[in-house]
Amino acid sequence: DTGVSQDPRHKITKRGQNVTFRCDPISEHNRLYWYRQTLGQGPEFLTYFQNEAQLEKSRLLSDRFSAERPKGSFSTLEIQRTEQGDSAMYLCASSLGGTAGDEQYFGPGTRLTVT
Amino acid sequence: AQTVTQSQPEMSVQEAETVTLSCTYDTSESDYYLFWYKQPPSRQMILVIRQEAYKQQNATENRFSVNFQKAAKSFSLKISDSQLGDAAMYFCAYRSPPEQGAQKLVFGQGTRLTINP
Repeated sequence: DTGVSQDPRHKITKRGQNVTFRCDPISEHNRLYWYRQTLGQGPEFLTYFQNEAQLEKSRLLSDRFSAERPKGSFSTLEIQRTEQGDSAMYLCASSLGGTAGDEQYFGPGTRLTVT
Repeated sequence: AQTVTQSQPEMSVQEAETVTLSCTYDTSESDYYLFWYKQPPSRQMILVIRQEAYKQQNATENRFSVNFQKAAKSFSLKISDSQLGDAAMYFCAYRSPPEQGAQKLVFGQGTRLTINP
């Protein structure tokens, strides 16, 4: 088990372009989370999946953002028509579920720069 | 909505000394979980320590311990015998109990800890 992985690690795009990020959780984890972290701030919750079901979405997740977890394994986060304000680190985390403490394990993140 | 506040943007400590990072939170819930996460430069975030609100005993993990004051809504992290590898951003985080349905972590703004050799 190599932990949570994210791809790509860095992405530079021009304003107005679409981007897609991928997250591979720890294999037996059924919960998957996306967070966004801007420079000098703590991560902010975007959305959460249990298996393939998207159970919670933040109001930060505008209609330009969409997340999927089609087979309950890896997840993708797509941002359409990117804006400069989308520049941030996008973090993925996964957890086993089923326990009260339910530790979230984080990936290394994808750093997005919109020019 | 729950909020988490870390009032110390930066802290520094001499190697082998003890340092305490502060965190306060606001909630109307009586049961919840509190966490301290460490984010080293250019590396992924890892859990340092966890506290369940219903437990009166403060959590400890080796050199890391917390001072949990439920009435004051305070949750500080004490690092004893500081080591160079402790240098990182430290985030305090809150999570509602599972029966509330929410699974998200609510993070504070972070405290950058520097260890001076």
